[in-house]
Amino acid sequence: QKEVEQDPGPLSVPEGAIVSLNCTYSNSAFQYFMWYRQYSRKGPELLMYTYSSGNKEDGRFTAQVDKSSKYISLFIRDSQPSDSATYLCAMSARNDYKLSFGAGTTVTVRA
Amino acid sequence: DAGITQSPRHKVTETGTPVTLRCHQTENHRYMYWYRQDPGHGLRLIHYSYGVKDTDKGEVSDGYSVSRSKTEDFLLTLESATSSQTSVYFCAISDPRDSRTDTQYFGPGTRLTVL
Repeated sequence: QKEVEQDPGPLSVPEGAIVSLNCTYSNSAFQYFMWYRQYSRKGPELLMYTYSSGNKEDGRFTAQVDKSSKYISLFIRDSQPSDSATYLCAMSARNDYKLSFGAGTTVTVRA
Repeated sequence: DAGITQSPRHKVTETGTPVTLRCHQTENHRYMYWYRQDPGHGLRLIHYSYGVKDTDKGEVSDGYSVSRSKTEDFLLTLESATSSQTSVYFCAISDPRDSRTDTQYFGPGTRLTVL
């Protein structure tokens, strides 16, 4: 079993829809949680960063962490065609400096 | 791409030949990482460095070696390339002084094909 599980999709939604992405993990030591966005043939770029449990909002993006359930989510509101990308979750334990990644979910937003 | 360059960006080589990929950063970050990305596997860590001449293995290190003689450069070498090493390779950097602990910043990637 992988340390971080993420449904690879693909996920296709119409423009304006809410996109919901999630990851589950098994290591209870994880404390730092990130979402990366990766456009085709590009490197991953940091999208959202959260520490421990709770919610964080940044524009149309909301990241949620539920450490009790070992479950993290990313929501994209009012999705746009420019949001079409692969989204990877990543997480780490304190002072580890190494990230554990999910496999990534490919999202297509249809105009 | 956070001041990270990778070279070459594309390479086609033959089985059994040595290959060296270079990662160069201008951010003076302490940590550097090499990943490979394959369909269905996401990003897998090959090797990482926590300082000049200080390196360690990741989860898929067999067949790869690394060197870091300067803060800004991290080299990944495939001593004798095999077709299973066909992949997209990403370099990443991070620094313990970053307020967003453990955040890594990625380079643009190198697409390697081994025939």
